[in-house]
Amino acid sequence: EAGVAQSPRYKIIEKRQSVAFWCNPISGHATLYWYQQILGQGPKLLIQFQNNGVVDDSQLPKDRFSAERLKGVDSTLKIQPAKLEDSAVYLCASSLGRVERGARENIQYFGAGTRLSVL
Amino acid sequence: AQKVTQAQTEISVVEKEDVTLDCVYETRDTTYYLFWYKQPPSGELVFLIRRNSFDEQNEISGRYSWNFQKSTSSFNFTITASQVVDSAVYFCALSEANSGGSNYKLTFGKGTLLTVNP
Repeated sequence: EAGVAQSPRYKIIEKRQSVAFWCNPISGHATLYWYQQILGQGPKLLIQFQNNGVVDDSQLPKDRFSAERLKGVDSTLKIQPAKLEDSAVYLCASSLGRVERGARENIQYFGAGTRLSVL
Repeated sequence: AQKVTQAQTEISVVEKEDVTLDCVYETRDTTYYLFWYKQPPSGELVFLIRRNSFDEQNEISGRYSWNFQKSTSSFNFTITASQVVDSAVYFCALSEANSGGSNYKLTFGKGTLLTVNP
C-alpha cells in the first residue's frame, strides 16, 4: 500500500514570495491533515479536512495561508506571501476518518514532509 | 486544553543499553488516545503505537514496550537493548475523541532526540 506522498521535498524562497505544497493521502483515507513543524518542536496542526470539507482550521494563519481539497483526495497548501517565520517542515497526514472505541481509524499516517526555507 | 510534556530533550546511550522515554499528558476528557511516533533523520513520522484511555494494559512489541498509567497521566516508552537504528526523535501525542467522531487532532510533545552510539 502506498503511503502519503508529498512534493516537493525541499523549497527555498525569498520572503514575500508564494509557495505551494501538494499532498496525496493514502487511498481511501477520508481525513487529511496539514501540520507545521518548526525546528526543535513537535508538529502543530494547521488544518484538517474530512473529505473535501474543513473540520478545523483554527490555527491556520488565514491572512497568508490557504488550503484546499477540492475532490476529497489530493490537497494543496499555499503560503502567500511567505515570511521568515514560515521556515519549517510542512507535514501532511491522513487517516481513515472515523473514531470508534477500539478501532484503528484515527491513526494518522504521515508523509515525508516539505522542508521550506524562507530567506 | 490538551498538553503533552516530554521533559527529556536529548538522551544519549551506548548500543545495547535500555532506555526509557518519558511522556506526561494533560486532558479533561475521559476518552482519549495516546500515540508514539518515531521521526528518523529522513523526516517522516512513523507510527509506533496507539492506546486508548480505557485500556491500561502495557504492551510489548519486540524490543519496544509501553507503560500506560492513568494515575500519573504517563505513557512511557522503553527500548530494550537499543541499536544504532533506533536513533531518532520520538514524539508522544494525545488525541481527544470528539463525540461527533470527526475532530481528533493530535497534540504533540516537543520530542526527545535519542542517540544510540555504537
